[in-house]
Amino acid sequence: DSGVTQTPKHLITATGQRVTLRCSPRSGDLSVYWYQQSLDQGLQFLIQYYNGEERAKGNILERFSAQQFPDLHSELNLSSLELGDSALYFCASSALDPNTGELFFGEGSRLTVL
Amino acid sequence: QKEVEQDPGPLSVPEGAIVSLNCTYSNSAFQYFMWYRQYSRKGPELLMYTYSSGNKEDGRFTAQVDKSSKYISLFIRDSQPSDSATYLCAMSAATGNQFYFGTGTSLTVIP
Repeated sequence: DSGVTQTPKHLITATGQRVTLRCSPRSGDLSVYWYQQSLDQGLQFLIQYYNGEERAKGNILERFSAQQFPDLHSELNLSSLELGDSALYFCASSALDPNTGELFFGEGSRLTVL
Repeated sequence: QKEVEQDPGPLSVPEGAIVSLNCTYSNSAFQYFMWYRQYSRKGPELLMYTYSSGNKEDGRFTAQVDKSSKYISLFIRDSQPSDSATYLCAMSAATGNQFYFGTGTSLTVIP
């Protein structure tokens, strides 16, 4: 158990809808990362927050947004969903910033868009 | 060109075999190199971490980094069925925070 909690584990929704994925980092970790994993693209970095502030941005679509709250949990909001958004979404946390190595991953939220 | 290239496999070996997993990369700024292991339906977990060039050994696992060739490897000795998983390489530059992952190599160790 990595100590990172993600909810929901599975989510099925329709195109055009909006969903929110939630992540609680390991106790004491200030950094939260969001990744998207699909079969053909592998693990793609979306965005990182450190202590409530956006720190780094990757290949995150404009339809997606995230935030980190004062209690350090984070939410990833996905809107106007398309079939291609179906993927596993991972949250990871770390204690360090900048982090040069170790990320602790949750078990992921599997999103299916029909 | 992708930042990190990794052969997706799948790779199937008999128990006890030596396994070699590899990644190549294009960005010479990468300084930190990691191998993550991902079991089915689980999140990736850090297996090995190396800084710059050289070798690092941890039990049955050895990580090698050749920065001149932009090539990293993970060797698994005496492979076990419990090693069956997807192995992802990852790397980052000195400034950290932005990690680049390979697509992962699926490994099956047959008893």
